[in-house]
Amino acid sequence: GEDVEQSLFLSVREGDSSVINCTYTDSSSTYLYWYKQEPGAGLQLLTYIFSNMDMKQDQRLTVLLNKKDKHLSLRIADTQTGDSAIYFCANTNAGKSTFGDGTTLTVKP
Amino acid sequence: DTGVSQNPRHKITKRGQNVTFRCDPISEHNRLYWYRQTLGQGPEFLTYFQNEAQLEKSRLLSDRFSAERPKGSFSTLEIQRTEQGDSAMYLCASSPPRGQGGYGYTFGSGTRLTVV
Repeated sequence: GEDVEQSLFLSVREGDSSVINCTYTDSSSTYLYWYKQEPGAGLQLLTYIFSNMDMKQDQRLTVLLNKKDKHLSLRIADTQTGDSAIYFCANTNAGKSTFGDGTTLTVKP
Repeated sequence: DTGVSQNPRHKITKRGQNVTFRCDPISEHNRLYWYRQTLGQGPEFLTYFQNEAQLEKSRLLSDRFSAERPKGSFSTLEIQRTEQGDSAMYLCASSPPRGQGGYGYTFGSGTRLTVV
């Protein structure tokens, strides 16, 4: 089946960059997504990348895709305390998404 | 449009009872998805609809689970003869016809089910 793997925890200092990594097995993925989940809230779509791209930048967010290694990363520049949350990557094939188990990002002041 | 709406927010039921959840998607979205999430895990796919057609149902899903989207708008998820292992957050999401962002989901806030 399709698997999406993420490291469970990441801790950074406010103002530093955060890099959250994800690997996946489904080579047929068309789109890959990053979602953010704050405590007690639903998942919020952050950004996405199409499978024929290798980089996408959206303000403080940079998504890198290595399709050969099936590796996706999310870089958050100038990380703020408000970025503390769980981040999920998801790959999509024919409209259905498979999610990783999330990376809990803790930002220390 | 106020986004994806799920009701109820919380449901506590006794083991063996049936429960039904409702999801109202964003009106322009033709795809609707049901996922289940337990603590420390990512959302697990249950089923999805394109308009009123149910396109896929997880092989892991028991026959006790059924979902409908009769008019291609709201959807219901029913769990019959609930078990303690059904306790989870049930998430609904919708997505627009394929566009620039592919099938990016808008999630509802979920229905938390506790089976006692």
